[in-house]
Amino acid sequence: AQKVTQAQTEISVVEKEDVTLDCVYETRDTTYYLFWYKQPPSGELVFLIRRNSFDEQNEISGRYSWNFQKSTSSFNFTITASQVVDSAVYFCALRRGETQGGSEKLVFGKGTKLTVNP
Amino acid sequence: EPEVTQTPSHQVTQMGQEVILRCVPISNHLYFYWYRQILGQKVEFLVSFYNNEISEKSEIFDDQFSVERPDGSNFTLKIRSTKLEDSAMYFCASTWDSRSNQPQHFGDGTRLSIL
Repeated sequence: AQKVTQAQTEISVVEKEDVTLDCVYETRDTTYYLFWYKQPPSGELVFLIRRNSFDEQNEISGRYSWNFQKSTSSFNFTITASQVVDSAVYFCALRRGETQGGSEKLVFGKGTKLTVNP
Repeated sequence: EPEVTQTPSHQVTQMGQEVILRCVPISNHLYFYWYRQILGQKVEFLVSFYNNEISEKSEIFDDQFSVERPDGSNFTLKIRSTKLEDSAMYFCASTWDSRSNQPQHFGDGTRLSIL
């Protein structure tokens, strides 16, 4: 079975602090994909990044960076120099690869609510 | 940038009534999904739809639920006889390719409140 755990329910930081959101996943598949979505207070789900199980390279996009480690089944998300606009709920999600039965569903974690205070 | 559009943004319905939630996926997308999020909880998969057929559904998606693509642009979720526990945010998503590396793009959601 597929499972995503985001152990941090809520995090509160002061603007300009760095913050890391943890994501640990469980799967028996050899091929899978990981995603991060952002849900701002307005409620929509915004796609941030995807990563496949064969690519363990870390990725940086502006103030955002992602650290994928298969050895620990983790896909952590770091925001550098956080801003008030980063305040949102962040969801990590997992999906099976094409060779693993073809399920298209995303399995989400429970989310981490990040509050960035001015 | 093209986006998934959902209407209405908020729907209030009496228990036992039928409700239809509407979605307009991104125009060149072929794969469509519904998810729901009970307040404060995680987002859960309901159903996937391709080529006018359900390709996968979760245990949540029972006989009270149905989906339809009535024309070339809309994708609807119908709940036949709503229950209090159907109160949730319902998200529509779409993608042009079902391969796993393609992200599903989500709409803004419809908040369904059952009284």
